[in-house]
Amino acid sequence: DSGVTQTPKHLITATGQRVTLRCSPRSGDLSVYWYQQSLDQGLQFLIQYYNGEERAKGNILERFSAQQFPDLHSELNLSSLELGDSALYFCASSGRTGLNTEAFFGQGTRLTVV
Amino acid sequence: GENVEQHPSTLSVQEGDSAVIKCTYSDSASNYFPWYKQELGKRPQLIIDIRSNVGEKKDQRIAVTLNKTAKHFSLHITETQPEDSAVYFCAASDDYKLSFGAGTTVTVRA
Repeated sequence: DSGVTQTPKHLITATGQRVTLRCSPRSGDLSVYWYQQSLDQGLQFLIQYYNGEERAKGNILERFSAQQFPDLHSELNLSSLELGDSALYFCASSGRTGLNTEAFFGQGTRLTVV
Repeated sequence: GENVEQHPSTLSVQEGDSAVIKCTYSDSASNYFPWYKQELGKRPQLIIDIRSNVGEKKDQRIAVTLNKTAKHFSLHITETQPEDSAVYFCAASDDYKLSFGAGTTVTVRA
């Protein structure tokens, strides 16, 4: 157990819908990263938050947004879903002792858009 | 932004042989280079990391080397075992963003 919790584990939804993925980082970690992993693909960086503020942004679609709340949990919102958005979405956290430290991954949320 | 390239994309080795995965990065500000292992259906997990002030680090059968001048780093696995079969990702961090390579699928043949 990495200490990073993602909910839900699985999500099936229809095209055009909107979903919210939730991530609770390890206790004390200030950084939260979101990654998308499509079938047989690598880890595509979406966005990073540090202590509530957006710190870095990857190739995140405009239909996607995220935020980190005062209690440090984070949510990734995906709207106007398309079939191609089907993927495994990972959240990772780091930063308990410093900004540049090991990132711990949650078990992922598998999103299926039908 | 940072661009991490990883080679090869697939690697098949005989049990007991060595495996080498190479990565290059573009941003000279990157100073932390972790390697992650992802088994099928599971989360990526850190197996070894190296910082920019170190040229080489070893942990049992795993070693990582870093050449900051050339902007490349490598993972070496010796005496490979069946349980080493997985996808391996290299990554580079500049204090703000952790960027991953595309991954290498390693298959260890018995």
